[in-house]
Amino acid sequence: QVQLVESGGAVVQPGRSLRLSCAASGFTLSNFAFHWVRQAPGKGLQWVALISYDASDKYYADDVKGRFTISRDNFQNTLFLQMDSLRPEDTAVYYCARDPSITGDVYFDFWGQGTLVSVSS
Amino acid sequence: SSELTQDPAVSVALGQTVRITCQGDSLRNYYASWYQQEPGQAPVLVIYANNRRPSGIPDRFSGSGSGTTASLTITGAQAEDEADYYCNSRDSSGNPSFGGGTKLTVL
Repeated sequence: QVQLVESGGAVVQPGRSLRLSCAASGFTLSNFAFHWVRQAPGKGLQWVALISYDASDKYYADDVKGRFTISRDNFQNTLFLQMDSLRPEDTAVYYCARDPSITGDVYFDFWGQGTLVSVSS
Repeated sequence: SSELTQDPAVSVALGQTVRITCQGDSLRNYYASWYQQEPGQAPVLVIYANNRRPSGIPDRFSGSGSGTTASLTITGAQAEDEADYYCNSRDSSGNPSFGGGTKLTVL
């Protein structure tokens, strides 16, 4: 069955870097676009980044543009989020989510369980 | 702040019908999807493309969209439907965007 498993979350100091991974199984990764979505403690969902099925297109929320980089390895069935220059406001649970849409719309049909990133001195 | 607006909280009596709405200009051009999130859990897709239900989602969940408003309706709400619900579509920049979420209480 479809599974997405995030890892790499940790407690880090402001200004440091962290790399999140999302391991996929049960389907062919290269057939889908993927997103990272985050949720700060007690807050709502916030979209972070999108990568197309072949990595030719990448988009970022304004809050993270220039600091975060989304990438994927279709051979290793893994999605990544490189987070640099971390700020306290980046503290959140980070989810990877699969996007099966082939039209101009977007939706997320499977989500990982999330990994917690805490940015604090 | 989100470009998709949801009521922060809604309540419904057990077995009754409740509608959760999502408003935003982008909904004129893009479909909405809806997600249920229970405390401490990842979101679950319950409606996509305004009104399509994924396999495994009970048929008491339905969706609709008209103009700048998308709606999620639960017909015959159950205790297990108590959760946070988020709409999603694209914002004015074309990026994915979520509504602020609606906390549903089943009385």
